[in-house]
Amino acid sequence: AQKVTQAQTEISVVEKEDVTLDCVYETRDTTYYLFWYKQPPSGELVFLIRRNSFDEQNEISGRYSWNFQKSTSSFNFTITASQVVDSAVYFCALSIQQGAQKLVFGQGTRLTINP
Amino acid sequence: EAGVTQSPTHLIKTRGQQATLRCSPISGHTSVYWYQQALGLGLQFLLWYDEGEERNRGNFPPRFSGRQFPNYSSELNVNALELEDSALYLCASSFIRRLAGQETQYFGPGTRLLVL
Repeated sequence: AQKVTQAQTEISVVEKEDVTLDCVYETRDTTYYLFWYKQPPSGELVFLIRRNSFDEQNEISGRYSWNFQKSTSSFNFTITASQVVDSAVYFCALSIQQGAQKLVFGQGTRLTINP
Repeated sequence: EAGVTQSPTHLIKTRGQQATLRCSPISGHTSVYWYQQALGLGLQFLLWYDEGEERNRGNFPPRFSGRQFPNYSSELNVNALELEDSALYLCASSFIRRLAGQETQYFGPGTRLLVL
């Protein structure tokens, strides 16, 4: 079975600090897909990034960066110079197989950026 | 481009009643997914519809059902409502490229269902 663990339930930092959200996944499949979503108080899940299991390149998008390491089954997300607008719940998710198409989510990390 | 839309935004029902939730996917997307986000239980996969057919189902009782229409919009029906059905129901859509693996799912704003 697939599993995603986000061990950090809540994180609170002061604005402009860097913060890393951890994600550890479990799957026996060799082909899988990892995602990060952001859920602001409005409730809608906002897609941030998708990574395929065969692509271990790290990615940077503005203040956001992602570190994918298959050796440790981790897909961590770092926000640099955090801003109050980054406050939200962040979810890491995993999908396996072409046919299954369902996302398995971690429990989410509630991130609060204080001014 | 319009995103995934859901209606209603809020729904209040009493135990035993039926609830109907609606979802319109992003234009061009043929797949619709339903997820339940209940307090303390996280986000759980409910149903996947593609090209009008139910393709996959999560670990939910049969009173959770749905359908997908020819225009790819979808309905989620919950019969014989129970208190624990109170949750945020999120719909997502994607297009499916055959043999191309998992496509990104884009989510709507959700329907908050409260069962009294």
